[in-house]
Parts: sequence; structure tokens; C-alpha cells
Amino acid sequence: DTEVTQTPKHLVMGMTNKKSLKCEQHMGHRAMYWYKQKAKKPPELMFVYSYEKLSINESVPSRFSPECPNSSLLNLHLHALQPEDSALYLCASSRVWAGAYNEQFFGPGTRLTVL
Amino acid sequence: GQQVMQIPQYQHVQEGEDFTTYCNSSTTLSNIQWYKQRPGGHPVFLIQLVKSGEVKKQKRLTFQFGEAKKNSSLHITATQTTDVGTYFCAGNLGGAQKLVFGQGTRLTINP
Repeated sequence: DTEVTQTPKHLVMGMTNKKSLKCEQHMGHRAMYWYKQKAKKPPELMFVYSYEKLSINESVPSRFSPECPNSSLLNLHLHALQPEDSALYLCASSRVWAGAYNEQFFGPGTRLTVL
Repeated sequence: GQQVMQIPQYQHVQEGEDFTTYCNSSTTLSNIQWYKQRPGGHPVFLIQLVKSGEVKKQKRLTFQFGEAKKNSSLHITATQTTDVGTYFCAGNLGGAQKLVFGQGTRLTINP
């Protein structure tokens, strides 16, 4: 199974809502990532988890809260978002090998709209 | 900040023509990866280059990593409509444990 799944596919939320994005992989990867992608732009790294511990936070605002409950699951909790946070949120996973991350497998993404 | 620059931003070709996209970093890369993202899709890994001067081929695609490990290229021979999409290079900057993506090259093809 080389698939990364993400739910939901689409999400519309108000600025006062609390919602969560979910990501799952069963490839035995111990590195998992959240990216944000705006239209016609490259993926922008938000968070990296390595062995279920947060290893990189790219100065993401606290209204985004990641969580890695186990080696297969990754969540992104959203609270009090702004309209400019509307984007495609991509989850990815990879092996952790010799201190460098190998190829990343991306999920299909959650398209988020903040009203 | 550390950046990976990619050109051109857009490329439109006739089906059957060749296509090349270039990637440059101001700092040495541990490795470079290439991804393809179809319209409405997600990035899909194509290849990883690690060694200085490395060249890898996948059917009509040829990938190169520069001798100084600061630049890379992807060349597609005789494009087909299935090649449409955005091609991203992504570099592991020296010692950094994260990928930095280039801006991407969007390829469109006239059949």
C-alpha cells in the first residue's frame, strides 16, 4: 500500500470554527509532513514529524496545531483561521534515513476555504 | 533565505517537441528530487539525484545533477499530452532536514 489518504477532501469553515484535517499512511514511514499550497505556487512546508515527535515548525501561526497520535496518523487542528489561510493542505510521508529525508509520498490534499 | 530557483515558470510546446526545466540553488544541495503535479492533483515523486554529476533516465525523461550539486535539469524528449502538468524540483539544502521546492515549471502541450 503506497497511498497516503486525507480527509476531508473539501472543507469550508468560518473564522470562528474549529476543525481538523486527518492524514493516514500504512507504508511504515516514520516521517510525516504538512504542507500548504496556494494556487500556482509550490508546496510550502509547515510541520515535520519524525518518529512521532515534532521536529520542524516553520514558524506557523498557533491557529494551526499539528498532532501525531501514532506512526500512521497525522492531524492538523484548525482554529480561528483567516480567509488568507484558504489553500490546499497536503500531507506527505517518507522514510527517515541517515538524517536525510527520502522521497515523499503526498496525499490528495484537503481543499480548505475559510469564509 | 535559502532558495531553490526554477526556470522557466511556464512552457508551452507542440506535442512531439522537447522540453527542459532548470533548477538552481545558491547553496550546495544534499540531494535533489523532482515531482510532477497534474492539474487538480498532488505532487508525485519522479526521481532523486544524490551524486555529483549524476544522470538518470526514465523513458523519455532525463534528469541531471550538476557537478557542484547546485543545479539540476529535467529534459523530456518528444512530449506527449500526458506530460502536461507542473514540474517541481525540490532540494535538501546542505545539512537541512527539509525539502525546499522550486517555483515549478508549468508545461502545457498543444496536441
